[in-house]
Amino acid sequence: DTAVSQTPKYLVTQMGNDKSIKCEQNLGHDTMYWYKQDSKKFLKIMFSYNNKELIINETVPNRFSPKSPDKAHLNLHINSLELGDSAVYFCASSPEPAIGEGTGELFFGEGSRLTVL
Amino acid sequence: AQKITQTQPGMFVQEKEAVTLDCTYDTSDQSYGLFWYKQPSSGEMIFLIYQGSYDEQNATEGRYSLNFQKARKSANLVISASQLGDSAMYFCAMREGSYTSGTYKYIFGTGTRLKVLA
Repeated sequence: DTAVSQTPKYLVTQMGNDKSIKCEQNLGHDTMYWYKQDSKKFLKIMFSYNNKELIINETVPNRFSPKSPDKAHLNLHINSLELGDSAVYFCASSPEPAIGEGTGELFFGEGSRLTVL
Repeated sequence: AQKITQTQPGMFVQEKEAVTLDCTYDTSDQSYGLFWYKQPSSGEMIFLIYQGSYDEQNATEGRYSLNFQKARKSANLVISASQLGDSAMYFCAMREGSYTSGTYKYIFGTGTRLKVLA
């Protein structure tokens, strides 16, 4: 069973289109994230949600709208796609840190490669 | 200002030798976590090792060890006995902020591409 799963793995679309990426985690974590990895491999946080509530929005254009229907799901919808949106989008989740126990590392999905033509 | 700095964009190492990947960080938090991830060419992110800010001993996981120097704010990854399969991008990351106040996040460095030579 995949812990954090994203669909689709690949997306090729035209400028101006709207697309969505879905993410689900079965780890029981309260916090989920979206990261963008650009062509230079730089990983930048976009959003984080804790128990369906938006916690972090890192000055992402409002063409990007995350939605969390429940704490196991965090979807990303992108309107009016631009060339610069081409990247790999990673969903991730993390547990609440427990002092003295565990590491609280990020668990990543496999990534969704978006190509905008 | 960069919160996580990895100054080596690329490194080469001979198979079976040890290699150190550098990472320095910047935070004013007292409690934080430091992580290393590996990203092979297939693209997935693989967690390697963790060091908590209060941990007095350096973390080790198999062939990976983390050289934690808190005063210098460095968290270098040491890979011993390199293998061809270690060729990948390596990312240093820091978890900072407060979970209860909702400022909790993980910040990544720019990565180091390691190539292991046969």
